[in-house]
Amino acid sequence: SAVISQKPSRDICQRGTSLTIQCQVDSQVTMMFWYRQQPGQSLTLIATANQGSEATYESGFVIDKFPISRPNLTFSTLTVSNMSPEDSSIYLCSVGWLAAGYNEQFFGPGTRLTVL
Amino acid sequence: SQQGEEDPQALSIQEGENATMNCSYKTSINNLQWYRQNSGRGLVHQILIRSNEREKHSGRLRVTLDTSKKSSSLLITASRAADTASYFCATDLINAGNNRKLIWGLGTSLAVNP
Repeated sequence: SAVISQKPSRDICQRGTSLTIQCQVDSQVTMMFWYRQQPGQSLTLIATANQGSEATYESGFVIDKFPISRPNLTFSTLTVSNMSPEDSSIYLCSVGWLAAGYNEQFFGPGTRLTVL
Repeated sequence: SQQGEEDPQALSIQEGENATMNCSYKTSINNLQWYRQNSGRGLVHQILIRSNEREKHSGRLRVTLDTSKKSSSLLITASRAADTASYFCATDLINAGNNRKLIWGLGTSLAVNP
């Protein structure tokens, strides 16, 4: 298992600004994921951030809008750039292992973002 | 879309009753997992069932898997008010290589009334 913290826990931002969300894990992990979750909705994967390689973005998400850093095995950041009200959402980071061949993920508490 | 689907979308029951949630998926899987999410919080892994398993138990949780129908069900027995949460199924796809990711269902919102 892993303990994951995210900063900030919530923020209210103005349109056109950027916010960087931090994700810190208490142990070294290979796979790290960033998700977006609209209120009452399911999770949408933004990108997979594996250490030592460029982040892999899902369809509909681009690096210019959601740049990701993964400097080491315990830390990652997701930036939401040039924000609009449509970016208001909960952003979740998670980590996973391929222990025993399966991908179980552990989640941070989330960052609740409101864009005015 | 490879997204799974859960039904019902919302379920309201009384304490002590059993709650059953279903999940369907579209592709071959390595395993299927159920997660729980309290309102506005991160998700917590509940139980995993491998593709070669048909039923698994963990405490008051019972999960079944029917790969021929590409469906799974989660049963919570003797429910408690503290079980109130959203429950999501997630499938770990087979032969996904190094880019492993989970495909998430839409979720079932469970309310257990005292």
